[in-house]
Amino acid sequence: KAGVTQTPRYLIKTRGQQVTLSCSPISGHRSVSWYQQTPGQGLQFLFEYFSETQRNKGNFPGRFSGRQFSNSRSEMNVSTLELGDSALYLCASSLSAGTAGNTIYFGEGSWLTVV
Amino acid sequence: KQEVTQIPAALSVPEGENLVLNCSFTDSAIYNLQWFRQDPGKGLTSLLLIQSSQREQTSGRLNASLDKSSGRSTLYIAASQPGDSATYLCAVGGAQKLVFGQGTRLTINP
Repeated sequence: KAGVTQTPRYLIKTRGQQVTLSCSPISGHRSVSWYQQTPGQGLQFLFEYFSETQRNKGNFPGRFSGRQFSNSRSEMNVSTLELGDSALYLCASSLSAGTAGNTIYFGEGSWLTVV
Repeated sequence: KQEVTQIPAALSVPEGENLVLNCSFTDSAIYNLQWFRQDPGKGLTSLLLIQSSQREQTSGRLNASLDKSSGRSTLYIAASQPGDSATYLCAVGGAQKLVFGQGTRLTINP
């Protein structure tokens, strides 16, 4: 069955713009989480959605937001882009919320470059 | 606050060797620990998941162990191959999220 699909794979944006990234989880998975990966900070948790509700949020400013649709697909949005937002954004899906008992599967990521 | 450390940061070994990657964490109140592999420019591939009640998991040439009381996990790779070259990340599953180590960049030399 298909894995976690993220679009777009690569994008370049200008400071001050906004960006929307999309994630389609594995069929049947209802939880979607987002992580940011940078060389300096490594992988950091952004937020988790389950059944269209945000369950948890990491320590990121309000410029980072997300949502989940009834088909479990998720989008994340970053407004007023800053150079430091350049990163690989990874989406992960799992059957249930949280990490207990869950194998978490990641997509290929969306590479965002802010210039 | 959970902190996860992976040592060494980089490792280079000749093909065929058996090797061990280390992961340590500060808070033993975990649900599970998961090992991932990341190839350059790619996402994460799940290798092994160890539940907090388990001591080890095996998949092919890979064996992962978990000692919650000491806050340690190891990933053992047997008979290493050039295709094993990648960055290996361990992630501790807490109540809400995965907390990742910085990874070990592994190079297997033919």
